[in-house]
Amino acid sequence: SQELEQSPQSLIVQEGKNLTINCTSSKTLYGLYWYKQKYGEGLIFLMMLQKGGEEKSHEKITAKLDEKKQQSSLHITASQPSHAGIYLCGADTRKSNFGNEKLTFGTGTRLTIIP
Amino acid sequence: GAGVSQSPRYKVAKRGQDVALRCDPISGHVSLFWYQQALGQGPEFLTYFQNEAQLDKSGLPSDRFFAERPEGSVSTLKIQRTQQEDSAVYLCASSLAPRTSAKNIQYFGAGTRLSVL
Repeated sequence: SQELEQSPQSLIVQEGKNLTINCTSSKTLYGLYWYKQKYGEGLIFLMMLQKGGEEKSHEKITAKLDEKKQQSSLHITASQPSHAGIYLCGADTRKSNFGNEKLTFGTGTRLTIIP
Repeated sequence: GAGVSQSPRYKVAKRGQDVALRCDPISGHVSLFWYQQALGQGPEFLTYFQNEAQLDKSGLPSDRFFAERPEGSVSTLKIQRTQQEDSAVYLCASSLAPRTSAKNIQYFGAGTRLSVL
């Protein structure tokens, strides 16, 4: 069963438009990871968030973790064809003193960019 | 190596056959994870190694699934008497090392797509 809910499940956006993908958990998120996956390929790491209120950006992608650490959003500005793919959020939902924990993933958001 | 390497990329097995999937983690990475990804779903955790020790195998769906990492580097996931429901992409991930109060990034391989006929 999935503990993380992603929305929307799929998204079709015109090139150049902005978009947001959400990831919601019923449990506190002790580490939230955003990955991108293309068909037939593995997951490509995008960003990691740990602290409530944290925000990180890389190129045109910004990810935020809310203050309560139960929701994260991924925002893409001025989308390009290269942004197309499946975006997955993965989370540590167990508080631990050790760095490695298994990740629980959402079902993914399929992003299509149209010219 | 430069990244996590998995082989074979594709495997077709007849129902009842045994299969072995290989994972070469990033050099020097202590932790290794196996995940199973069904079509249209996110990856689901199978098992975790720290060096050669299998510290968590809570996600293995049945006793037909077995994983090992005898020398703390390469890992093999073995599935005995494969069933159609085993058809999925099997992903391997590695991360640098367990450290207190640190979250380590898991880097994924391209996966092995298993089809059981």
